[in-house]
Amino acid sequence: AQKVTQAQTEISVVEKEDVTLDCVYETRDTTYYLFWYKQPPSGELVFLIRRNSFDEQNEISGRYSWNFQKSTSSFNFTITASQVVDSAVYFCALIDGTYKYIFGTGTRLKVLA
Amino acid sequence: SQTIHQWPATLVQPVGSPLSLECTVEGTSNPNLYWYRQAAGRGLQLLFYSVGIGQISSEVPQNLSASRPQDRQFILSSKKLLLSDSGFYLCAWSVPPTGARDGYTFGSGTRLTVV
Repeated sequence: AQKVTQAQTEISVVEKEDVTLDCVYETRDTTYYLFWYKQPPSGELVFLIRRNSFDEQNEISGRYSWNFQKSTSSFNFTITASQVVDSAVYFCALIDGTYKYIFGTGTRLKVLA
Repeated sequence: SQTIHQWPATLVQPVGSPLSLECTVEGTSNPNLYWYRQAAGRGLQLLFYSVGIGQISSEVPQNLSASRPQDRQFILSSKKLLLSDSGFYLCAWSVPPTGARDGYTFGSGTRLTVV
């Protein structure tokens, strides 16, 4: 069965610290897609990144970076030099052959000034 | 550009009352449409999805129903609300047939409190 686990319910860091949000997934499909979404206090989910199962190259976008490791079924998200505006709930999600999202339960990140 | 509108933003309803939440998409044709619910402290649960007018698939048996009377309109309804229907409801769209792989675009959500 497909499953996405975000074991960290809530993380608090002080501004400028680096923080990593963990995501572990389960799927039997060999072709699948992984996503990260950000949900700021306003509630709307904002798309951050998509990776497909055949591309394990890590990606960096500004202060954001993603580490995809098929060997451990993980797709972790790191924010470097965190800022207060990064405070949000972050969701990891999986799509496999069913083309339906399976979301994790989310990790609430609090960045303190 | 494509936009998605969802309303109302917040809603407080008594138990047993009806519900109607509306979602409309602009700037695209024949989108796949989705209703998700986010209960407090929990992840996002897919409630319904639609690949075309009048075509509704239900993921979870429950007190809710959905309809798609027009190509870019998706409505979530209930005849009698339960306390357990409280939550944050999100509408989303993607480009068919496999546009979900490119990511969803979500609406701003409706926070429903059943009292």
